[in-house]
Amino acid sequence: DTGVSQDPRHKITKRGQNVTFRCDPISEHNRLYWYRQTLGQGPEFLTYFQNEAQLEKSRLLSDRFSAERPKGSFSTLEIQRTEQGDSAMYLCASSFSGTNNEQFFGPGTRLTVL
Amino acid sequence: EDQVTQSPEALRLQEGESSSLNCSYTVSGLRGLFWYRQDPGKGPEFLFTLYSAGEEKEKERLKATLTKKESFLHITAPKPEDSATYLCAVQSSGTYKYIFGTGTRLKVLA
Repeated sequence: DTGVSQDPRHKITKRGQNVTFRCDPISEHNRLYWYRQTLGQGPEFLTYFQNEAQLEKSRLLSDRFSAERPKGSFSTLEIQRTEQGDSAMYLCASSFSGTNNEQFFGPGTRLTVL
Repeated sequence: EDQVTQSPEALRLQEGESSSLNCSYTVSGLRGLFWYRQDPGKGPEFLFTLYSAGEEKEKERLKATLTKKESFLHITAPKPEDSATYLCAVQSSGTYKYIFGTGTRLKVLA
């Protein structure tokens, strides 16, 4: 296994369009996180899945954002009606419960909203 | 509200010049404190997890320590390849989310 992968790596879209990102975690990892990171800031928590269940979601997260993790494997993050303020790096991380909570991060998807 | 503050924002060191990065935190109950390294354009890379005051972890030139209010990342005799942004994060009891600080940008000059 080569680690957490994310697709696409870069996405440019126009304001008002919908976008979807994919994350493939390390295969045996049951925990999956989505974060958003802007320049000069640390990652901001968006949502958490344990297997296929979405157990926590940021209160700051707009209802334009939705995430799924069908069958507890890959996950998707969808942003509807994108706004310029959504421009950021979207990071996915996975971990395995029972370890020292070590999160393995993917390379991220950089979103630019024009 | 859970909060993480890192200082300094940026640090320039000469190769071999040891220093420490600070992470101050306030949480309702600490489940864990985490240190990550992030290189430009990449996702963070896990370094350490600390669970209780007095705990210490070491890896190569890095040593992380934890008190009830803050954590330090000590860098001994740094090399240029240690240049990166170092992020601190906390997870509090009763939640799954991680709260990250804004990081310390470290530049080590040869």
